[in-house]
Amino acid sequence: EIVMTQSPATLSVSPGERATLSCRASQSVSSNLAWYQQKPGQAPRLLIYGASTRATGIPARFSGSGSGTEFTLTISSLQSEDFAVYYCQQYNNWLGTFGQGTKVEIK
Amino acid sequence: EVQLVQSGAEVKKPGESLKISCKGSGYSFTSYWIGWVRQMPGKGLEWMGIIYPGDSDTRYSPSFQGQVTISADKSISTAYLQWSSLKASDTAMYYCARLRYSGSKMDVWGKGTTVTVSS
Repeated sequence: EIVMTQSPATLSVSPGERATLSCRASQSVSSNLAWYQQKPGQAPRLLIYGASTRATGIPARFSGSGSGTEFTLTISSLQSEDFAVYYCQQYNNWLGTFGQGTKVEIK
Repeated sequence: EVQLVQSGAEVKKPGESLKISCKGSGYSFTSYWIGWVRQMPGKGLEWMGIIYPGDSDTRYSPSFQGQVTISADKSISTAYLQWSSLKASDTAMYYCARLRYSGSKMDVWGKGTTVTVSS
């Protein structure tokens, strides 16, 4: 089973600032990596897939990069609605696994 | 509109059985996989397993193999997650989600079903 490790666990950022979230895979997942956003009381929402492709309706301030074992989600200028928990997930094989999440909180 | 509509919240006692559902609409139900994801209170997302309603091909995470059963009824575009004997540790939110392939992103999610197991 591929283990996904996210860092940091919590990121404190001021509105308007940039946030950089990291995700590492225990073995190569190529570009088969997705990012999800989850707000309190809501289901997760797909943000990024294929490591760098934004899902439908996702603002351009969200961007993903990386391949192999190292991935990054960048939020260029945090808006109030972006404070949430973010999860990475690999889908390199049928057994998908999630990272433990990064909480982006208001500084 | 593509939607996954999940059944309502459940409160059960330890040892009871339970089957929750996830109904797809707005797309070809038999051409996509359905996955189930657990979220225990205050915790992260856990990938449980997937099913292809077209032929009922089902795969489980080793962590959940033997603990739950995933099934589907393609005639009513509905997938299921069931337990034969609930434990308190099954208390969680359970989400279903759509996948285009078995190794694929989860692009559409249901709103979740809360399961509470308490004596």
